[in-house]
Amino acid sequence: DAGVIQSPRHEVTEMGQEVTLRCKPISGHDYLFWYRQTMMRGLELLIYFNNNVPIDDSGMPEDRFSAKMPNASFSTLKIQPSEPRDSAVYFCASSLRGQSLAYFGEGSWLTVV
Amino acid sequence: DAKTTQPNSMESNEEEPVHLPCNHSTISGTDYIHWYRQLPSQGPEYVIHGLTSNVNNRMASLAIAEDRKSSTLILHRATLRDAAVYYCIRRGNNAGNMLTFGGGTRLMVKP
Repeated sequence: DAGVIQSPRHEVTEMGQEVTLRCKPISGHDYLFWYRQTMMRGLELLIYFNNNVPIDDSGMPEDRFSAKMPNASFSTLKIQPSEPRDSAVYFCASSLRGQSLAYFGEGSWLTVV
Repeated sequence: DAKTTQPNSMESNEEEPVHLPCNHSTISGTDYIHWYRQLPSQGPEYVIHGLTSNVNNRMASLAIAEDRKSSTLILHRATLRDAAVYYCIRRGNNAGNMLTFGGGTRLMVKP
């Protein structure tokens, strides 16, 4: 089975540009999580969805960040406009209620210059 | 607030056992203890989890103190591929499947 698939794997963009990160969870999983990892702050939960509905977005840093899950097999995390401090690795993870495991993608490495 | 305490780093020799400690003194009765690890340039991956009893799987063993205020992840024979950051995480029963990561322990394995 394919794991969690994220795209792009690497992105370099200029400050002010819009960035869209994509995630395809494992088929059948009903939870989807977006995390951000930086050297300073470690792994932070940004938002998570259950059955495509956002449950907790308290970790989203500010209005420039938005996340959607239009269907069970796709989610996006958008940053608009991007700033250099958004440079980080963004991970998507999915899990199935009743199971303890969360499966993470390989991450999207974002650099904003 | 991850509510767990781990050493920042540890070193081990290849093919020797490694004991990675974690303190979770404020753990509630329904919190599970999960361990994940993150290899360089990869996303975190599940290692093991438990509630009260010690647990074994193909990757590691988890020893949980009787009062549940601490636990130890045991790698029976460390290999170079085990060099990673190991995260000890409390996961409440009522938080969906949300995981809150702390700083973890960076394990270095010497050949």
